[in-house]
Amino acid sequence: DAGVTQSPTHLIKTRGQHVTLRCSPISGHKSVSWYQQVLGQGPQFIFQYYEKEERGRGNFPDRFSARQFPNYSSELNVNALLLGDSALYLCASSLEQGWGEQFFGPGTRLTVL
Amino acid sequence: GESVGLHLPTLSVQEGDNSIINCAYSNSASDYFIWYKQESGKGPQFIIDIRSNMDKRQGQRVTVLLNKTVKHLSLQIAATQPGDSAVYFCAENMLGGGATNKLIFGTGTLLAVQP
Repeated sequence: DAGVTQSPTHLIKTRGQHVTLRCSPISGHKSVSWYQQVLGQGPQFIFQYYEKEERGRGNFPDRFSARQFPNYSSELNVNALLLGDSALYLCASSLEQGWGEQFFGPGTRLTVL
Repeated sequence: GESVGLHLPTLSVQEGDNSIINCAYSNSASDYFIWYKQESGKGPQFIIDIRSNMDKRQGQRVTVLLNKTVKHLSLQIAATQPGDSAVYFCAENMLGGGATNKLIFGTGTLLAVQP
């Protein structure tokens, strides 16, 4: 079975631009969460979506938004990019809300110049 | 590739020795704990989990110990191999239908296995 997939693998943007990152969860998983990992630190929670609804949000500005589609895939959008948004963006999927075990994708490496 | 281990605590062990990685968690209400392994340039990989109604759980070559009194978690790796070299993160969560899937990660420990 395929694991969590994310696209693109790498992305380079300039300040002020916007970006859309994509995630496909493991087949049968209904919950998708997004994390930001700055180099040298642990992942930080951004959003959780379950059944197309936002179920949790971390301490990130409104420039960050996301959505989940009927097939449970998800997009993370970041507007007005800042240099500090440069990070590895990780998607994790789990079977249900509040299930526990989460599986991570390989991430999208975003570089903002 | 880039390293996720910059400025992280480092544990250096000899191949074949046992490794113990420690973690202090923050929320006394957390009832589910996970250890992840992250290799350079990759996403975190699930190793083992434990629920708060247990104090020990064993997997293949790995054991997780939970001490709720002092909010401490440890990961023991038996017969450490060069392929175990990576950054290890503990993460905490709360289970249940009303809970989110928000994982709170610790700072990470870089495990360096010397051949």
